Amino acid sequence: SSELTQDPAVSVASGQTVRITCQGDSLSNYFASWYQQKAGQAPVLVMFGKDTRPSGIPDRFSGSGSGNTASLTITGAQAEDEADYFCNSRDSSGDHWVFGGGTKLTVL
Amino acid sequence: EMQLVQSGTEVKKPGESLKISCKGSGYTFTNYWIAWVRQLPGKGLEWMGVIFPGDSTTKNSPSFQGHVTISADKSISTAYLQWGSLKASDTAIYYCARFYPGDDAFDIWGQGTMVTVAS
Repeated sequence: SSELTQDPAVSVASGQTVRITCQGDSLSNYFASWYQQKAGQAPVLVMFGKDTRPSGIPDRFSGSGSGNTASLTITGAQAEDEADYFCNSRDSSGDHWVFGGGTKLTVL
Repeated sequence: EMQLVQSGTEVKKPGESLKISCKGSGYTFTNYWIAWVRQLPGKGLEWMGVIFPGDSTTKNSPSFQGHVTISADKSISTAYLQWGSLKASDTAIYYCARFYPGDDAFDIWGQGTMVTVAS
């Protein structure tokens, strides 16, 4: 399968921990990367590889993976984390890439 | 500063042609793949394809193959996305993004180009 599946929406109380998941067969062979997109803005890379944050991304963001599932965890969510989050990985051929459908995170 | 700067908003009619651009700066443009990503109004991200500006090798999503053309001019560090005949369903924001192979991720994104196709 070349699809990545995400929950459409997740909510978290401010200061609490939230996990956003991404499922797909190709994740057994390839790492996922994660992108944050705030309203009206371009996506921003927030996580890649096993658990690596680009420079400037707060350390409350972490990544993990097991089998065909990748996860992005925000420990102590802040209001500014409210955004859409998309996972991305190679497809089963390894030569193309695919995005998950996205998860809308609401911080209450 | 490494960045990708895209061309501006376009308003076109169905059947018209269009070429939008993505100019890289602050890094060696020819050494990194550039991807194009579509975002339909209110929807998610869709990977359209990539090009390696060094030799113009492309990899295209089957979902977009035959409807768009991805190209690059390495002499001016610019990648392009082109349509020969636009449809109303092409109305979307189009992003370019640099693929960094060491991270297996798209680490730099353009600001997006809004394309509206309407009669």
